[in-house]
Amino acid sequence: GEDVEQSLFLSVREGDSSVINCTYTDSSSTYLYWYKQEPGAGLQLLTYIFSNMDMKQDQRLTVLLNKKDKHLSLRIADTQTGDSAIYFCAESSNDYKLSFGAGTTVTVRA
Amino acid sequence: NAGVTQTPKFRVLKTGQSMTLLCAQDMNHEYMYWYRQDPGMGLRLIHYSVGEGTTAKGEVPDGYNVSRLKKQNFLLGLESAAPSQTSVYFCASTGLAGVDTQYFGPGTRLTVL
Repeated sequence: GEDVEQSLFLSVREGDSSVINCTYTDSSSTYLYWYKQEPGAGLQLLTYIFSNMDMKQDQRLTVLLNKKDKHLSLRIADTQTGDSAIYFCAESSNDYKLSFGAGTTVTVRA
Repeated sequence: NAGVTQTPKFRVLKTGQSMTLLCAQDMNHEYMYWYRQDPGMGLRLIHYSVGEGTTAKGEVPDGYNVSRLKKQNFLLGLESAAPSQTSVYFCASTGLAGVDTQYFGPGTRLTVL
């Protein structure tokens, strides 16, 4: 949606870290999310962060939230070929309705 | 426990035809949603429901109708299909416990000629 923006493409070498960035406009957002979509598949919830947090770590994934700047990022450590996919940033306020960004296509090269 | 299922997986319609997409969940979730995904645009919310017998409009509701007569099912109807409705449609559900119980279906690819 137009309220959530993210860069369209990212190319990263296998073993390096990937950082995907996202900005949003809705100051009432309660949760912010990162989803992964592989070709021809549905959406897989990777991780989410509550709006009163500034960081969340889950194995290779680190989410950073700057609420003042309305900026969200996802860092994937030790990127693998299986991480090649489209990553969507999303936010929700009431009723868990989601507003998505256009998606960042991550390509992992050997 | 099948999670969220969608029927059909693929469909080709001619302009003006009607059809219904079925979303079913077996997790006793209160909230259900229909999204469409178009290239380069991410997912957009069409309609949603916060409980059995309730429906509400999302971001792009025009040309679609929905019904939630049973808690486990959420139907999306196209009364007169148009080429602009060619898209991949995703259903999702969420329980009262919130984001930890959110699941998406596998999608329905619809082409309107």
